[in-house]
Amino acid sequence: DAMVIQNPRYQVTQFGKPVTLSCSQTLNHNVMYWYQQKSSQAPKLLFHYYDKDFNNEADTPDNFQSRRPNTSFCFLDIRSPGLGDAAMYLCATSRDKGGAYEQYFGPGTRLTVT
Amino acid sequence: GQNIDQPTEMTATEGAIVQINCTYQTSGFNGLFWYQQHAGEAPTFLSYNVLDGLEEKGRFSSFLSRSKGYSYLLLKELQMKDSASYLCAVNTNAGKSTFGDGTTLTVKP
Repeated sequence: DAMVIQNPRYQVTQFGKPVTLSCSQTLNHNVMYWYQQKSSQAPKLLFHYYDKDFNNEADTPDNFQSRRPNTSFCFLDIRSPGLGDAAMYLCATSRDKGGAYEQYFGPGTRLTVT
Repeated sequence: GQNIDQPTEMTATEGAIVQINCTYQTSGFNGLFWYQQHAGEAPTFLSYNVLDGLEEKGRFSSFLSRSKGYSYLLLKELQMKDSASYLCAVNTNAGKSTFGDGTTLTVKP
């Protein structure tokens, strides 16, 4: 089945220790998104790629970076995690930008910072 | 800026009908999505509206009024498995979706 895969599902890291979350998709979609979601809150868009074109949200901290080496894979790097970065990180894809294209979400990676 | 409002919580009885409202004020509008999110899981797509009116999909329907900045999701014949968070998301002209905080629906027997 075509899908969005995130690894790992649960990640524990130490305060200040760099961590990388990964996302892959078999849908061959052009757009990939990274969201941060905290309990009972809306998913907050961090950045997205339209093909190789990177789009950073204005309020995304510099601590968060992303790489998309090819169509299928996208990575979220947190350079120096703080306690406030503990959250669920959701990767999503859509076929294209624009109104009619729904997003397909991966199962998420729950990040704990100790 | 973007502002999307939904009730935080709702409770309904199995077999009943429930309506979850969403109001929005966004810079640009290119469609409105509803997603369902079970606790600890990823959101899944339910419906999309870009024109005014009602879209029906089985037990779920979604309505949009662009002039009022208003949408609702209607769930009929509620089942226990419908207990979840329901997220309203507006797609802006930039091609990105802004999500509301979600409405947590609890279905009771």
